[in-house]
Formats: sequence, structure tokens, C-alpha cells
Amino acid sequence: GENVEQHPSTLSVQEGDSAVIKCTYSDSASNYFPWYKQELGKGPQLIIDIRSNVGEKKDQRIAVTLNKTAKHFSLHITETQPEDSAVYFCAASNAGGTSYGKLTFGQGTILTVHP
Amino acid sequence: EAGVAQSPRYKIIEKRQSVAFWCNPISGHATLYWYQQILGQGPKLLIQFQNNGVVDDSQLPKDRFSAERLKGVDSTLKIQPAKLEDSAVYLCASSFDWGVSETQYFGPGTRLLVL
Repeated sequence: GENVEQHPSTLSVQEGDSAVIKCTYSDSASNYFPWYKQELGKGPQLIIDIRSNVGEKKDQRIAVTLNKTAKHFSLHITETQPEDSAVYFCAASNAGGTSYGKLTFGQGTILTVHP
Repeated sequence: EAGVAQSPRYKIIEKRQSVAFWCNPISGHATLYWYQQILGQGPKLLIQFQNNGVVDDSQLPKDRFSAERLKGVDSTLKIQPAKLEDSAVYLCASSFDWGVSETQYFGPGTRLLVL
């Protein structure tokens, strides 16, 4: 089955700096890669996703890049703000395939943005 | 649009007791998922329903866990008897239809502590 590795496990930045979180996946059939933000006491919230036919996607201060050959994808947050502090999870799935869209999550990255 | 609802939000039980969690997905969503999130880890899929049928329960510990979605809307997840290692957050998620849209929306979760 799919295995997703996420790094780093913790990330501390100053407000206004950029933050980068990286994930690798093992199953070449995976074609859908969402990123979730989880705040304390809440469920994960989708912040951005990318499909395998796209190399990069951007939404305001958030961007995701995908390298299918290397089987890795990254989340980039620019101009970080204290409210970006949370746990971020990457995930991968073979959307529409025999795994019924099952998401496999990384271990999570605790992002702390210092004012 | 209302999100995914879960109850209770918190539950404390002693080992060998039973417990049940309830989930109401977003209206019109055919696919429903139950995840287990152990502290410091990413969510792990326990069971996936398509309407009222199970499409994936390969990671559900069937000797103690059971789940149902009788009318294709609400779902319950039950643990009987509970073990200490079942302490976790149980997340419910839904999607419009796994074969049409991969986006999964999560509820706030039920935090279970087994003493």
C-alpha cells in the first residue's frame, strides 16, 4: 500500500518568513495530493490540493509543487502570520482507482509562527 | 452549508467498556469515512462507506470495532470492549462521491480516553 513520509516534524519561523514542508510517497499510481491544516481541538481542514496532471498550484500565500518523477510534493507558505500556526498534514490517494480514493496521511508538521 | 457533525466531542471510559460515536455527514454526500488519529500521528482510515455499503474496512479491528450506515446518511462507530490503545481522536469525514470528487471534509472529531 501507499506510504507517505513528511518532513520536518516541527518547524519554527518568524512572522513574515516562508515555510516549506516536504512529503514523499511510494505508490506511483497516486494521483491526488491534498494538504490539510489542523488547529488544536479541531478536525483537519483542506487548504490546497494538486492532481498529478499539474506541476504547481497557488492560492494567495499558499502554493504546492509536485514532482512525479521523484515522487515528492511540497507545501510553501509565504509571508507567514501567527494564525498560520497549526499542524499541517500531507496526504496521497489514487483517486478513482481500486483503492476507492483512500487517503494515506503523513505524520504531520507542527508549524509555529513567532510574532 | 452545514459541515460534518460528530458527537459526543469527548468521552472518557474504562477499559473493557463499550462506546459509540455518531456522525452526520454533509447533506448529499454519498461517501463517509471514519478515521482514527492517535496523538502525534496523521489520521488512519478505519472504514469507508459508499451510501450504506462498505467499500473498505481493511484496517478496522473487527474483533472490537463495528460501524454501520443503515440509511446511507448518519453513521455510528462502536468499540466493544475498549482497550487502552484505543485512546485517540475519531474523525468522521464525507465526500460528494469518491468516484466523482476526491475532496474530503472532516468533522471536529470525538476525543476518546480509555483509562
